[in-house]
Amino acid sequence: GQNIDQPTEMTATEGAIVQINCTYQTSGFNGLFWYQQHAGEAPTFLSYNVLDGLEEKGRFSSFLSRSKGYSYLLLKELQMKDSASYLCAVRDLTTDSWGKFQFGAGTQVVVTP
Amino acid sequence: GAVVSQHPSRVICKSGTSVKIECRSLDFQATTMFWYRQFPKQSLMLMATSNEGSKATYEQGVEKDKFLINHASLTLSTLTVTSAHPEDSSFYICSARARDRVTDTQYFGPGTRLTVL
Repeated sequence: GQNIDQPTEMTATEGAIVQINCTYQTSGFNGLFWYQQHAGEAPTFLSYNVLDGLEEKGRFSSFLSRSKGYSYLLLKELQMKDSASYLCAVRDLTTDSWGKFQFGAGTQVVVTP
Repeated sequence: GAVVSQHPSRVICKSGTSVKIECRSLDFQATTMFWYRQFPKQSLMLMATSNEGSKATYEQGVEKDKFLINHASLTLSTLTVTSAHPEDSSFYICSARARDRVTDTQYFGPGTRLTVL
């Protein structure tokens, strides 16, 4: 998605913390979503933010600042199985009542021993 | 909850043939399903939005006569790639809208890898 920017790749060691940033531009913002996608598989839903602040779900946390058009996904206590692509997606209400999802290109996280 | 299945997971076909991909919501009713295409190391690109009982809405640049979508029931949507060509080779993923107390999001099927020879 041309209006969503996230880094291409990040590398971290097992047990560490990694923060994946996502910036977006949209006129009809109605929620920011993070998905995890392993190679050759479909994305799986991780988190959802529609209000400013931090949402925590176990080892994963997601933060949103609507005024800055910014979100991050925080992965704590990294495990080898966390190696995957992480997609930032924004729901845009400008086209219809539910809105379309625009996806970023994904951030490939590589966890090393 | 919110499980979406997709069949087949992988298909190889000859150029000029048609391929049908099924997307099912297994434990919920989905009034809206979405079809995406993803090329290697690229983002998901929405092809069309499928609403139960009505015609699909296609994104700009997606040929509706080539990618036929049918959403005959609240749990099934199909995508038929007609007269497939090698450039149609891609990873096709469906998703279904699901609402619960907390979120209103979409859940993805496992995807279909299409290879056209």
